[in-house]
Amino acid sequence: GAGVSQSPRYKVAKRGQDVALRCDPISGHVSLFWYQQALGQGPEFLTYFQNEAQLDKSGLPSDRFFAERPEGSVSTLKIQRTQQEDSAVYLCASSLEGANTEAFFGQGTRLTVV
Amino acid sequence: GNSVTQMEGPVTLSEEAFLTINCTYTATGYPSLFWYVQYPGEGLQLLLKATKADDKGSNKGFEATYRKETTSFHLEKGSVQVSDSAVYFCALAPFSNTGKLIFGQGTTLQVKP
Repeated sequence: GAGVSQSPRYKVAKRGQDVALRCDPISGHVSLFWYQQALGQGPEFLTYFQNEAQLDKSGLPSDRFFAERPEGSVSTLKIQRTQQEDSAVYLCASSLEGANTEAFFGQGTRLTVV
Repeated sequence: GNSVTQMEGPVTLSEEAFLTINCTYTATGYPSLFWYVQYPGEGLQLLLKATKADDKGSNKGFEATYRKETTSFHLEKGSVQVSDSAVYFCALAPFSNTGKLIFGQGTTLQVKP
């Protein structure tokens, strides 16, 4: 596709519910990142994939958060037993490879836990 | 550890005014530095970058110079327009081959006609 696509754009979940957020990166991009952006804050790194391998998950806040990219393309971020503090915008980004290549961001999924 | 600190916003300017948004960083090694911009209703976009000390990144009239001695990467523009109103994020990629970004908290710029 033309850009990074995320779905859904908005998600309201009841506390305790499981959610799945989808990211379609730019075709051919090797690297994929997930970030969490709280209201009024900068994005914070969650996890990073190179193709299908999850090379860094140091930013995942708890074991309720799980990400996968089984075929090295589409990625899903799953949050189990959502809590109010999980309310944020979840951003996905992809890049060709490496530290100096531009990361292209999707518009994000706004998750509200009520 | 690695971190980025930006000046507090919002910054409110009149059209054609000079803009500076301060950004300082703490990093181990030799990071690459970036400015990203988020226009209302849109995703983050790369504005400019610099990959080594004394490099100047520039785009759309904006520029920033990688200053290792002051660990700074201040964003400047000589004459802002209403269309520059957005949230600006300073970020660094630590010395690694992953491209992982560490962002500042963002600075909101409002330009009035």
